[in-house]
Amino acid sequence: KNEVEQSPQNLTAQEGEFITINCSYSVGISALHWLQQHPGGGIVSLFMLSSGKKKHGRLIATINIQEKHSSLHITASHPRDSAVYICAAPPGETSGSRLTFGEGTQLTVNP
Amino acid sequence: NAGVTQTPKFQVLKTGQSMTLQCAQDMNHEYMSWYRQDPGMGLRLIHYSVGAGITDQGEVPNGYNVSRSTTEDFPLRLLSAAPSQTSVYFCASRHNAEAFFGQGTRLTVV
Repeated sequence: KNEVEQSPQNLTAQEGEFITINCSYSVGISALHWLQQHPGGGIVSLFMLSSGKKKHGRLIATINIQEKHSSLHITASHPRDSAVYICAAPPGETSGSRLTFGEGTQLTVNP
Repeated sequence: NAGVTQTPKFQVLKTGQSMTLQCAQDMNHEYMSWYRQDPGMGLRLIHYSVGAGITDQGEVPNGYNVSRSTTEDFPLRLLSAAPSQTSVYFCASRHNAEAFFGQGTRLTVV
C-alpha cells in the first residue's frame, strides 16, 4: 500500500474550469511537495508546504496536517496546465528522509 | 544557473552494455537521490546519498551502482543493462525538504 495516495488518477477538464487534485498520506511528514511534469519533460517543484495554504498565480495548495490531506487547486484552467501533477512527502522530521511519491494525476485541459 | 544538471537526456543501450548517468548540483545540498519513473508505478527510489562518501539503497537498487565522492556529483551506473531498466530516470537533490529535480534521462535498453 502506497503511503501517499492521489486522486483522481486521470482528470479531463474544459478550459476555464476549477480543478482540484487530492493527496492523502499515512506517514508523519515535515512538509509536502506538489510537483508538475509536462509530457516528455522534467519535474518542476510547484509548492512545498508544511501548513496552511500557498498561492502562486492560478495555483493554490492547501494542507491539513491533522487530517493528513493536501489539495492542489487550479483556477481558470488552461490547456497549458495539462501535465502530470505529483504529490510527494518526506516521511519523518529529518531533512535527510527520502521522498515518498503519489502515483500522479494526469490532467488534460481541453480548449 | 543553480540547479540539478542531469545527462544525457536520451540514451539507447544494447542488453549487456554499461553506462553512467551523470548528475551534478551546485547548491551544496547534502541529500541526493536517483529515481526511476515507469507507467503506472510513479517515481521509485533507486539509491540515495546523505553526503559525500555515504550512499544507501532505495526501493529498487538491483542492477544499479552509485558513488558520492564529492558533494556535487552523484553518478548512477548500470553495469550490464537489461530491458527491464528501460525507464525515465530522475536525479534530485534536497535541502530542508525543498527538492530540485534534473530534467530526466529517457533510457531504452534493446
